[in-house]
Amino acid sequence: EIVLTQSPGTLSLSPGERTTLFCRASQSVSSNSLAWYRQKPGQAPRLLIYGASNRATGIPDRFSGSGSGTDFTLTISRLEPEDFAVYYCQHYGSSPITFGQGTRLEIK
Amino acid sequence: QVQLVESGGGVVQPGRSLRVSCAASGFTFSNYGIHWVRQAPGKGLEWVGVIGNDGDVQYYADSVKGRFTISRDNSKNTLYLQMNNLRAEDTAVYYCAKEPQKYRGPWYFQDWGQGTLVSVSS
Repeated sequence: EIVLTQSPGTLSLSPGERTTLFCRASQSVSSNSLAWYRQKPGQAPRLLIYGASNRATGIPDRFSGSGSGTDFTLTISRLEPEDFAVYYCQHYGSSPITFGQGTRLEIK
Repeated sequence: QVQLVESGGGVVQPGRSLRVSCAASGFTFSNYGIHWVRQAPGKGLEWVGVIGNDGDVQYYADSVKGRFTISRDNSKNTLYLQMNNLRAEDTAVYYCAKEPQKYRGPWYFQDWGQGTLVSVSS
């Protein structure tokens, strides 16, 4: 089973700032099968990025993903109020699927 | 558009059984694999398992293997999760989630239901 470790656990930032979230895998993720989600309180997760760097349908270009092998990042270029939420990475290259423990992005 | 609507959650005693459902619409249900993902209160996401588009293949997380069974009725556009011998640690919101591509699609999720809460407590 691939273990995903996200860092930092919590980020306190202001709207308009830029930030980068990290996701490290315990072993190489095949074919860059890595996705990112944003989850707001009381809602289902929303897909942001798949294939490590491909934006999902309807996701604005302030979100970008990069990385390969064991190290992946999600960058938000300019934080909007709706971006203050919890972010999860997920690998899907092999069974079982696993998720990272999440990074909470809070308003400073 | 794609809609996934879970139902059947509730409070159940440890050791008992419960079946939750996921009603699908807005796409050809029989063409897509569907997953269950759960989230314990205040915790992160945990994959539960998957069933292939025609029901021939299922995979499960070790934490539920042998206790949970995923099935589907393609004539009713409905997915099921039968949960037996429930434990307190199974308490969670259970989401169904659709694969993005037909047949043996990659296992990331563009479309999710709103979730149904299962509470296991005496």
